[in-house]
Amino acid sequence: GDSVTQTEGPVTVSESESLIINCTYSATSIAYPNLFWYVRYPGEGLQLLLKVITAGQKGSSRGFEATYNKETTSFHLQKASVQESDSAVYYCALGDRGNTNKVVFGTGTRLQVLP
Amino acid sequence: EAAVTQSPRNKVAVTGGKVTLSCNQTNNHNNMYWYRQDTGHGLRLIHYSYGAGSTEKGDIPDGYKASRPSQENFSLILELATPSQTSVYFCASGRQGLFANTEVFFGKGTRLTVV
Repeated sequence: GDSVTQTEGPVTVSESESLIINCTYSATSIAYPNLFWYVRYPGEGLQLLLKVITAGQKGSSRGFEATYNKETTSFHLQKASVQESDSAVYYCALGDRGNTNKVVFGTGTRLQVLP
Repeated sequence: EAAVTQSPRNKVAVTGGKVTLSCNQTNNHNNMYWYRQDTGHGLRLIHYSYGAGSTEKGDIPDGYKASRPSQENFSLILELATPSQTSVYFCASGRQGLFANTEVFFGKGTRLTVV
């Protein structure tokens, strides 16, 4: 089936360190996947961080970036230098550009950035 | 800024009781969604709606009903609550179109405990 696997948290890094949260997907019934990263800050709802709909393209937002790699079926989230305010839960998600509202979420990765 | 408001934010219910979770959005979005999130799982779609009067089954609809009496409001109803329905529930809304193609805005979540 369709699934998303991401780094199991919690992930703890120090401020100004680099970050990578791994995400791989399996899209057995989705012909044209869209890939997303959502973020949930403490006390808030999920919000879209970035989205890529074309294989080979890179999305970026707030210093984060992720490249849609069809060959390795990956969409890893990276940031060169994290800030304490980046502490949140990050969700990788796989969407169907076709005729459904089907979106499959990963389990979420809790990130804690130490000052 | 898109606003999706869920109520209550926390709820303790007894087994066999009826529970109604409410969601209100002020953005005139056509689509609304109910998800639940459990440890070890990503967000899973319970029900969704394309507009007032419409409800559609998601991936895990058993034990839940939904009601969309107006554009703004979308309720999730547990007629006979069970401990397995203890979870965090998220409501979301989006413009007309597919989740995979349009940004979706989430509420802050409702933590439901069934004892």
